[in-house]
Amino acid sequence: AQSVAQPEDQVNVAEGNPLTVKCTYSVSGNPYLFWYVQYPNRGLQFLLKYITGDNLVKGSYGFEAEFNKSQTSFHLKKPSALVSDSALYFCAVRPFGSGNTGKLIFGQGTTLQVKP
Amino acid sequence: DVKVTQSSRYLVKRTGEKVFLECVQDMDHENMFWYRQDPGLGLRLIYFSYDVKMKEKGDIPEGYSVSREKKERFSLILESASTNQTSMYLCASSRPGTGISSGNTIYFGEGSWLTVV
Repeated sequence: AQSVAQPEDQVNVAEGNPLTVKCTYSVSGNPYLFWYVQYPNRGLQFLLKYITGDNLVKGSYGFEAEFNKSQTSFHLKKPSALVSDSALYFCAVRPFGSGNTGKLIFGQGTTLQVKP
Repeated sequence: DVKVTQSSRYLVKRTGEKVFLECVQDMDHENMFWYRQDPGLGLRLIYFSYDVKMKEKGDIPEGYSVSREKKERFSLILESASTNQTSMYLCASSRPGTGISSGNTIYFGEGSWLTVV
């Protein structure tokens, strides 16, 4: 079955330190990969996506993610965390060749807590 | 700017009531979605629509129906609300696309918190 896994329910980092939120996927074919962020009581905001090309993708708010095909991973990173980055982060994948369904498969989410 | 608007942010309904959740997008997107979000489960697709009056079931359609009479509006209907439908509901939209255009971004609304008592 096609799936996305975010192995950590919560990630804690100190402000100013680098952060990583992990994501691995299992899909047939080449995937399109997305990261979204959700602040409390809000909808999901798009951060970045990997479609093709350079494995390192840069997105909003200083975030970036690295696509690693051999490890089937798409980890979200930021060199220096801010307290305002504290939120719920979702990884999602759309399998290549899924037609026009537009369907995304989401991970269960990782809560990022950045402490001052 | 992209805008997906869910008219009701917080609702409390009684078991057995018929519930309508409304969603409007102003981006002329063909695709619209309803997801349900529950802690520890991520987002699960309820229904998807790729054109006016067209719909497809998602992963958890049971107990729900949808209506898309106009391109910009996609409604989620709970025919007879039950307590296990207490959840956050997220509407989303995107452009259509196959192949590499399948990478088109999905944009989400702010969510509707539904409590069924």
